[in-house]
Amino acid sequence: GAVVSQHPSWVICKSGTSVKIECRSLDFQATTMFWYRQFPKQSLMLMATSNEGSKATYEQGVEKDKFLINHASLTLSTLTVTSAHPEDSSFYICSARGLVGQETQYFGPGTRLLVL
Amino acid sequence: RKEVEQDPGPFNVPEGATVAFNCTYSNSASQSFFWYRQDCRKEPKLLMSVYSSGNEDGRFTAQLNRASQYISLLIRDSKLSDSATYLCVVTYGNKLVFGAGTILRVKS
Repeated sequence: GAVVSQHPSWVICKSGTSVKIECRSLDFQATTMFWYRQFPKQSLMLMATSNEGSKATYEQGVEKDKFLINHASLTLSTLTVTSAHPEDSSFYICSARGLVGQETQYFGPGTRLLVL
Repeated sequence: RKEVEQDPGPFNVPEGATVAFNCTYSNSASQSFFWYRQDCRKEPKLLMSVYSSGNEDGRFTAQLNRASQYISLLIRDSKLSDSATYLCVVTYGNKLVFGAGTILRVKS
């Protein structure tokens, strides 16, 4: 199956720091990438959808100025958590989808963020 | 009301047991349905799609009832390796909407 990587897998940072997470599709071109967040014992919540070369679409309640998403190429999307605070500590997971019309999303291994 | 509701469990079952999970969804416009499996601290992985006609993959059987907006997953002959959280997932447009998951613990 298709492979999606995320980097880093773990981040521990001080409050106020900005953190960048990369999501790469390794063996296919991802026209659409999705960013999710999962708090302990809760479901994955979609944060935003990004299409290559265009602005991301954010879900209700997600601050676009705090969670900056860039999808500059067909194999790379980045999520930057700006001025992170302890309440941003979570498990961030990306997924990627290839051709338009395909439903299957391939998930990255996730990035665990801990803000002290 | 949550868009996708699941019993959180945990379901504690002995090896070899048969266990069933249920899920309900609120939006009748949902188009596709899936069961994902998520191991602790890992990303979700697709277990199987769910169709109205029902579908089976080895020890796993999934069923969809559109009229009742209800999805089920049956696991036969449970293995220790089946221990995980099982996520019910529906699609609206190009989005996946996840349930919070049902925890399964299979014990020897």
